[in-house]
Formats: sequence, C-alpha cells, structure tokens
Amino acid sequence: NAGVTQTPKFQVLKTGQSMTLQCAQDMNHEYMSWYRQDPGMGLRLIHYSVGAGITDQGEVPNGYNVSRSTTEDFPLRLLSAAPSQTSVYFCASVPAGSYEQYFGPGTRLTVT
Amino acid sequence: GENVEQHPSTLSVQEGDSAVIKCTYSDSASNYFPWYKQELGKRPQLIIDIRSNVGEKKDQRIAVTLNKTAKHFSLHITETQPEDSAVYFCAASRASNYQLIWGAGTKLIIKP
Repeated sequence: NAGVTQTPKFQVLKTGQSMTLQCAQDMNHEYMSWYRQDPGMGLRLIHYSVGAGITDQGEVPNGYNVSRSTTEDFPLRLLSAAPSQTSVYFCASVPAGSYEQYFGPGTRLTVT
Repeated sequence: GENVEQHPSTLSVQEGDSAVIKCTYSDSASNYFPWYKQELGKRPQLIIDIRSNVGEKKDQRIAVTLNKTAKHFSLHITETQPEDSAVYFCAASRASNYQLIWGAGTKLIIKP
C-alpha cells in the first residue's frame, strides 16, 4: 500500500490563481479530511468526507471546495488564492473501526 | 464548539528526566483524545490515544491520563531520550465523527 499520498509537495501561487491539491489513499478508508497547519498552531480542519458523495465543512472552510467522487480521492480546490492561505496542507484518512488518522506527507503552499 | 488548550508551548528537560504536557478541552461530549508527535518537516504521527471510558493508558515510556470531570488530559514521557525532541499535539473529538480539534502544540527539547 502507498498509504495516503499528496501532490504536489510544494506550490507557489499568485493571489487570485486557483489550483487543486490532490489527495489519494489506497486503503479503502471511508473517512477522509483536509487540515491546514500554520506556524505555532495546531492543525485546523477544513473539510471532511465520511464516504463517496458525502462532504461537509470543518472549522475553516471558507475559500476551499472539496468533492468525493470515489473512495480513493479527495481533492481540495482553492478557488481564488489569497496570502492568508499560505500554509502546509495535510490530508488524512481513517479506517473503519478505528480512530487513528493516517496523514499524507503534506503540501507546502505559498501564495504571493 | 470544541476548544483545546495546550501547555506549555515549549518544554526543555534534561535527557533522562520526565516530561509532562497538559491539555484542557471544553466540550463535555468529547470522548476521544489522541496525542501526535511531529518532527520538523514531517507529518503528524499518533503516539498514544485514550477513550473516555478509561482514566489512564500506558505504552512503554509514554502514558496518558484523563480527568473527565475536570476536562483535562496529560501526556507523560519518562526517561526522555534525544529522539523524543519534537512538537507534540493533543487533540479531542467525539469518537462518532472523527473531527479532531487540535491544541497549539508543545515543542519538547531534550538537553544532553
């Protein structure tokens, strides 16, 4: 198993640009989520999904969209990037019957 | 909603001594409390977790205690080693929804 994978590893955007952060897992986990991590802070939940076709908002959803068309993939879309979205983004998944969140390696995003 | 506070923000201990990190939470319905370790530039990794139906859990040099009445939980690391140096995060959630709310983190420094 590759586990949870994220692409790209690094990205620089200009203000106003849009992009999609990719997240995939090959462990057949139903629950997936996106977090952002800013310096000196814990992770904050952006969006999550309890299964294909079902998504919901977390603590800080503004400026981000998600979709879940398959169990494996959970992309995060930035609609119009802002400097405040400069952060490290982590995707995570949880297997059925467990509570442990398996994290991807992260995407470091800089918006100038 | 849930709010998790974590103290101290930085903890420096002599190698071989014990380290204690404390967290408080606000939502009395929270019943799952994990601790994650994050090394510089890496993803968070679960080191221990506890459900609300137990007051203490131990795994070798690491233990977690939970006081549901006072709504606080603590991480205890004994016989600290250089490889324990990292940032440690506590989190809380209702086990039914997997939506972790994180503390701000504690940077643990092990002095040789």
